[in-house]
Amino acid sequence: AQKVTQAQTEISVVEKEDVTLDCVYETRDTTYYLFWYKQPPSGELVFLIRRNSFDEQNEISGRYSWNFQKSTSSFNFTITASQVVDSAVYFCALRRDNYGQNFVFGPGTRLSVLP
Amino acid sequence: EAGVAQSPRYKIIEKRQSVAFWCNPISGHATLYWYQQILGQGPKLLIQFQNNGVVDDSQLPKDRFSAERLKGVDSTLKIQPAKLEDSAVYLCASYPDTNTYNEQFFGPGTRLTVL
Repeated sequence: AQKVTQAQTEISVVEKEDVTLDCVYETRDTTYYLFWYKQPPSGELVFLIRRNSFDEQNEISGRYSWNFQKSTSSFNFTITASQVVDSAVYFCALRRDNYGQNFVFGPGTRLSVLP
Repeated sequence: EAGVAQSPRYKIIEKRQSVAFWCNPISGHATLYWYQQILGQGPKLLIQFQNNGVVDDSQLPKDRFSAERLKGVDSTLKIQPAKLEDSAVYLCASYPDTNTYNEQFFGPGTRLTVL
């Protein structure tokens, strides 16, 4: 069975602080895909990043960075110098190695960035 | 490229009433998904269509929920009769019909409140 755990239900930080959102996943597949989505108050899920299980290279995109470690089944997301506009619910998701397959989402982490 | 369209954006009904939601996926996307997102939780798949055929409806409460995608393009999700626990955001997503490992594209959702 596949499962995604996001242990942090809510996080509050002050603007310009760095914050890391944790994601731990479970799967028996050797090939799989991990995603992060952002859900702002408007409600639409916004794609942030995709990683396949064979690519453990960490990635940095502007203020965002991702740390993928298969050894600990974790795919953590860090926002550097957070801004008020980063306030949203962030979801980690796992998908099997078949295109078009549905996602298994984690419960989400609500991030509040205070001015 | 236009995104996934959903309507209505909001709906308030009383329990035991019926309601229908509409989704128009991105043009050319063969796969369409309906997710239910209860407040404070991650999205949960209700049904997945490939063109006009059902791929997965194992988590759809079939005694009250139904969905169709007659012409393989837009889709309708119906609840009849609604219960209080159906209050949630209903998200539609679509996926291109190519063997590429892309993300799903989500619509803005329909927020349903059952009183």
